[in-house]
Amino acid sequence: NAGVTQTPKFQVLKTGQSMTLQCAQDMNHNSMYWYRQDPGMGLRLIYYSASEGTTDKGEVPNGYNVSRLNKREFSLRLESAAPSQTSVYFCASLISRVQANTEAFFGQGTRLTVV
Amino acid sequence: GESVGLHLPTLSVQEGDNSIINCAYSNSASDYFIWYKQESGKGPQFIIDIRSNMDKRQGQRVTVLLNKTVKHLSLQIAATQPGDSAVYFCAEGGPTDKLIFGTGTRLQVFP
Repeated sequence: NAGVTQTPKFQVLKTGQSMTLQCAQDMNHNSMYWYRQDPGMGLRLIYYSASEGTTDKGEVPNGYNVSRLNKREFSLRLESAAPSQTSVYFCASLISRVQANTEAFFGQGTRLTVV
Repeated sequence: GESVGLHLPTLSVQEGDNSIINCAYSNSASDYFIWYKQESGKGPQFIIDIRSNMDKRQGQRVTVLLNKTVKHLSLQIAATQPGDSAVYFCAEGGPTDKLIFGTGTRLQVFP
């Protein structure tokens, strides 16, 4: 049972380049999330998906797009990377609030640097 | 690499003492709350959760208290150990499963 898997773990991009961060969970969870964490700061929600086929904006969605490809996978795309998007990106999954357990599981993070 | 919690409020406690970490939440419609622990270089780890129809929940060495009147949440850690040193975040969730994190508090445990 791998939990939540993110790829890549590290990435350096030039300003204007695009890339997609991949996330997959094998726990049959309904909800998935993308957060960013700037150095020494808290986690800010970029986008989330409460179920397969739905996505919603979080606190800081500008400059990002997401795709809930299927129940397992939730990808985050940067179309034109900017230095302000340098951060650590975390993917998470949660079974659903209607279940007794609201534990969200996190991946190990993707460290992205935009130069 | 960067440090988790470098710019966050810090709580320093002596090993063996009890720790109380506080959190204010913003959305009256939130109906569940979660505490997470994050160690440097790692993703957040679940500690304990509480639903809005409760005001107290206990786990192993941890207790979460919820005061909906003033939108305040606290995490109490009994007999704090060096391994408890980390950054602690509260998170609030609502009807749509949107999960928002609070600012965080860095806990330092010294001998």
